[in-house]
Amino acid sequence: RKEVEQDPGPFNVPEGATVAFNCTYSNSASQSFFWYRQDCRKEPKLLMSVYSSGNEDGRFTAQLNRASQYISLLIRDSKLSDSATYLCVVRETGFQKLVFGTGTRLLVSP
Amino acid sequence: DGGITQSPKYLFRKEGQNVTLSCEQNLNHDAMYWYRQDPGQGLRLIYYSQIVNDFQKGDIAEGYSVSREKKESFPLTVTSAQKNPTAFYLCASSIMTSTNSPLHFGNGTRLTVT
Repeated sequence: RKEVEQDPGPFNVPEGATVAFNCTYSNSASQSFFWYRQDCRKEPKLLMSVYSSGNEDGRFTAQLNRASQYISLLIRDSKLSDSATYLCVVRETGFQKLVFGTGTRLLVSP
Repeated sequence: DGGITQSPKYLFRKEGQNVTLSCEQNLNHDAMYWYRQDPGQGLRLIYYSQIVNDFQKGDIAEGYSVSREKKESFPLTVTSAQKNPTAFYLCASSIMTSTNSPLHFGNGTRLTVT
């Protein structure tokens, strides 16, 4: 089983739609969680950290479910500019051990 | 503006040659990392450093070497021993004071070896 798993997609949605991605992780001792956005042939950029109680940043909502070992990202009112690959990142035990998922590709169409 | 600078953006080399990728940060971060990204795969950790003059191997260190002589700089050398060096290389940094601190990435170096 992979340490961090994501559905590769692509998710094709129209503008204005709501879309959700899930990410599962295998190490129950994982300490912190992040969502990154990566545009084609660019570096990943931090979208948001994921906190235990869940958190929201504008149209983006992140949730953590430790019992089932998954995190989720919800995007409301999708924009064309949201088209990108979304990477799930998990920090396991030990400061340096960050594990990246392979990413979920989102395509938002007019 | 603070950030991480990687150079060059594109690099072409012949097989058998060593090549050094540059990474400089002015964020005053203690920790620095090198990742490699291949199509369809997640980022994989090559080396990381938490303090000057100290660094540790990541998951795929074979065929690579690094140095950390200054806090701001963490160059990566891809040696001729690396069997599949063509990839997108990403340098990152983070603060050390919290496990919740995210990584900040440079804009990457795309290396092609023929």
